[in-house]
Amino acid sequence: AQRVTQPEKLLSVFKGAPVELKCNYSYSGSPELFWYVQYSRQRLQLLLRHISRESIKGFTADLNKGETSFHLKKPFAQEEDSAMYYCALQRGGSYIPTFGRGTSLIVHP
Amino acid sequence: NAGVTQTPKFQVLKTGQSMTLQCAQDMNHNSMYWYRQDPGMGLRLIYYSASEGTTDKGEVPNGYNVSRLNKREFSLRLESAAPSQTSVYFCASSVEGNTEAFFGQGTRLTVV
Repeated sequence: AQRVTQPEKLLSVFKGAPVELKCNYSYSGSPELFWYVQYSRQRLQLLLRHISRESIKGFTADLNKGETSFHLKKPFAQEEDSAMYYCALQRGGSYIPTFGRGTSLIVHP
Repeated sequence: NAGVTQTPKFQVLKTGQSMTLQCAQDMNHNSMYWYRQDPGMGLRLIYYSASEGTTDKGEVPNGYNVSRLNKREFSLRLESAAPSQTSVYFCASSVEGNTEAFFGQGTRLTVV
């Protein structure tokens, strides 16, 4: 069975500092990986997915199959980035996302 | 285009009471899901429905039942609520294949 691990429950940084939210997965096949974000009192929404190779709101994530990781990075954090971030995996051919436990990012002014 | 709509947004139940959480999507998605969100536990899948007329258990189905009423609607029922079911419940939908899931705004349920 697939599993998604986000080792940090909370990440606290100051504005302008680099941010890296870690995500590791276990799955033997070719996964589809996503990052979702939940701002305070709002619904979860897609931030980015690895297949599109986009940079959204300054965030990027690279799939490293050797290390089975999909870490989310941003070079300069902004206060509006404060939110809960979830890494999610969908195994090949499946439509059901499996989520990690989430990392709460707090960006201090 | 409202996306995924959940009702109610908030609910307080007494132990043993029953209730149904409603979810509807207007994106013509085949697949729908119910998750619960708990601090430190992330999102855990309760039930899902691959298509109209089919439902399957997820990771934490005990104490819940679901109904896929039609393609648009997927309801979650608590027959006898327990304090352990205090949580935020999210409904989501997606098309088949490896595409993103769209979420409702959540239902905050407290069982006392």
